[in-house]
Parts: sequence; structure tokens; C-alpha cells
Amino acid sequence: EPEVTQTPSHQVTQMGQEVILRCVPISNHLYFYWYRQILGQKVEFLVSFYNNEISEKSEIFDDQFSVERPDGSNFTLKIRSTKLEDSAMYFCASTEGGRNEQFFGPGTRLTVL
Amino acid sequence: AQTVTQSQPEMSVQEAETVTLSCTYDTSESDYYLFWYKQPPSRQMILVIRQEAYKQQNATENRFSVNFQKAAKSFSLKISDSQLGDAAMYFCAYRSAWGGYQKVTFGTGTKLQVIP
Repeated sequence: EPEVTQTPSHQVTQMGQEVILRCVPISNHLYFYWYRQILGQKVEFLVSFYNNEISEKSEIFDDQFSVERPDGSNFTLKIRSTKLEDSAMYFCASTEGGRNEQFFGPGTRLTVL
Repeated sequence: AQTVTQSQPEMSVQEAETVTLSCTYDTSESDYYLFWYKQPPSRQMILVIRQEAYKQQNATENRFSVNFQKAAKSFSLKISDSQLGDAAMYFCAYRSAWGGYQKVTFGTGTKLQVIP
């Protein structure tokens, strides 16, 4: 069964460093998302992406964040200068669109020291 | 904006018994989806069950069923014959049916403990 994959599973970085989280959505999907879950809190929407541009972004998704689909398979989230409060689980999701459900990846745990 | 509320931070159930997790939501839309996701300690998000708002019949998936009350904006999850593997965080979630890019809005979660 096709699935969304994410790498790495765990990333540790120093405050102020740039990180890139990678996702490979399901191949025929058209809509891509990033969500964030700070430990012990709910999952929060960051950004949606369709047709090589951002469809919607939340207040959390400030200028420190960017997304890209550099090729036909990867979907990346970049955090330019990480802060302690960026420590969280980051989930990628994708969907064909329309009435179809979103499929979530296993998440990347980001720890900022 | 849509909101999802889960008022039970933690619940416990004896193995083989039945437990119901509560969820309410607020929306002005008439067409939408509701979901229950399970998040075990591995923190992966696993879809448990899905309900389409235009369907009056409550969704069921094996031991999992929902009680969808559209007028009351209530969407509870019933787990029958609870098993140790059901222990996890459970998130109720909402998604508009309009627009393929619509985000999922999550509740704060209910931590379910299964007692042997």
C-alpha cells in the first residue's frame, strides 16, 4: 500500500541553524501539507501546497519557514534559523484532493538545542 | 474558523470493556468530514475512522464506531472490546469538504489508558 515517507526520523540541531525536513508524498497525490505537534499539544496546521505554490499558511508559518517541491517526488520544509520553540514533531501529509482523505507520514522529530 | 473540542484529557478502560471518547466541533459549513486519529507512543498518526457529514449513517470499522449528531455538532468514538493495543492518544479532527487543499483541524486529544 502506498505511503507517505519522511526523513530523517529524528533531527537534532543547534539553535540558529538551518534544517530541511524531507517528505515523499504518495505518487499520484496533488496536495501537500506540513503540520506540527509540540510535545504534549495538539497537531497544528502549518502550510498547504498545490501546483507549486502555497495554498494556505497559518500564523505559525512565518518568514523562517519555506516549502519547496524541488523535483517530482520530494516535498521539503526548511526552517532558516531554528529556535528552541521549533522543537516538535513535524508531519507531512498528502492527498489526491477533492473528497479524498489526507495520508500522514510517520513524522520527523526535531530537537533544537 | 472551525474548532474541535475534546473535553476529556484522559480516559481509562478495563480490557474487553467499552469506552466512549467525546468530541464536539463548531462550523458554519454543511459539508465536511470528521475523523478520529490514533497516535501511539511512536507518534505516528493513524486514521481510525472517518465520517462524511452528508451521510446520516454512523461509520463503523470493526470494534470502532462513531455517534455522529450533526445538529448537536457532536462526534463521539466508541471502542468496543478494548484491547491493550488501543492505548494511545486519540485526536478528533475536522476537514471541510470544499476545496481539495483544505487543512485538517485537530482537537487537543484524549489519552486512553487500557487496564489489563
